[in-house]
Parts: sequence; C-alpha cells; structure tokens
Amino acid sequence: DSGVTQTPKHLITATGQRVTLRCSPRSGDLSVYWYQQSLDQGLQFLIQYYNGEERAKGNILERFSAQQFPDLHSELNLSSLELGDSALYFCASSVADSGGAIGANEQFFGPGTRLTVL
Amino acid sequence: DAKTTQPPSMDCAEGRAANLPCNHSTISGNEYVYWYRQIHSQGPQYIIHGLKNNETNEMASLIITEDRKSSTLILPHATLRDTAVYYCIVRRNSGGSNYKLTFGKGTLLTVNP
Repeated sequence: DSGVTQTPKHLITATGQRVTLRCSPRSGDLSVYWYQQSLDQGLQFLIQYYNGEERAKGNILERFSAQQFPDLHSELNLSSLELGDSALYFCASSVADSGGAIGANEQFFGPGTRLTVL
Repeated sequence: DAKTTQPPSMDCAEGRAANLPCNHSTISGNEYVYWYRQIHSQGPQYIIHGLKNNETNEMASLIITEDRKSSTLILPHATLRDTAVYYCIVRRNSGGSNYKLTFGKGTLLTVNP
C-alpha cells in the first residue's frame, strides 16, 4: 500500500460524458501527478500540481483539466469523452521540497482508476 | 530528460539473480537513474535510484558504470512476485518541483518456477 488513494476503481461511461477522478496523496506530500496509461501510448504524464498550483503539463488534452484543493487532494476532470480516452489513470504523490534533496523525489503511485468509455 | 534503452523482455529462474540492463548514453551530469516496476495493471512502484555510486536497498541493487552511460538493476533472489515490467528512467533532481517521470516501454521480466 503506497498510501495514495484513488476513487473510483472502475468507471464505465458513454461517449460525450464527463467524469471526475479523485486522488488523495500520501500524508505530508505536497505534489500530485496524474498519468494516463493506454495500450497504445503506454504511461504518459498528464499534469502536476504542487501545493495547489499547477507546476507542469504534459500531454494533457484540452478536454481534460485538474485541480488540487487546499486539503491537497486532487481531481482530474475528463469531458466530452471519446472511445480513445479509455485507459488506466494513475495519480502519484511526492514530497517534492524545493531543495530537491535525494529521497524527496520518489513518486508513490495509487492503484489507479480504470476508465472505460463505451 | 535523457532517453533510455531497455530490452523488451527477459526471463529469470526463481531464486536466481535477475540482472536488468539499461542504456542511457546521453545522460548528463545532473541526471539521476531511477527504476520503477509495474506489476500487471497496478500502480508503478519505486525501486531504487542513484547518481554515480552503486546503491542497494531492501529491494534491489543498482550498478551504474563509471561513465554513467549504462546501469544494471539487480534483484538478488527473484521470486514469482517479481514478474513485472521494469522501467529505467533518467531524470534531473534539480531544485524546484517539476519531477515528472517519462516512462519508456520498459522490460517485461518473467520469473519462472
């Protein structure tokens, strides 16, 4: 158990719909990362938040958005869903202090949310 | 971040050491080598990381060549539960908070009874 929780575990929805995935980081971790894993694209970084602020963006579609709340949990919102959005979505967290000390940069991954778009 | 090259698959007998190679010939001086693994459809799990010196923890050992262009992850006594995809990732640990991981295709390690 990494200490990172994600809900729901499974989500089945239809094309055109909107869903929200939730992530609670490990206690004390300030950074949250979202990754998407599909069969054809592998594990891809989507976006990072640090203490409530967006810090880095990867291959995240404009239909997707995320936020991190004051209690540090994060939500990934996926809208106008397409068949190709079916994937595993992972959240990870890390301490990520500004000093970049060794040991502070390990990312701990949650169990993921499996999204199926029909 | 530097690109890494790993064999797509490897086999290992249970109880034997598993040695997983990784090439990162374009690594720069401030980049670390990280290893993660992913057991089927579970979240990736951090294993170990290093800069120049060899590292060992309760899970594995990491051997980095002197020129830092390649490394080997060693699982000393592989078990069936070590069957997973192993990812070698090279990443800067500079100050700031952008610590995204760039995953390649990794190596599927199959431990056989």
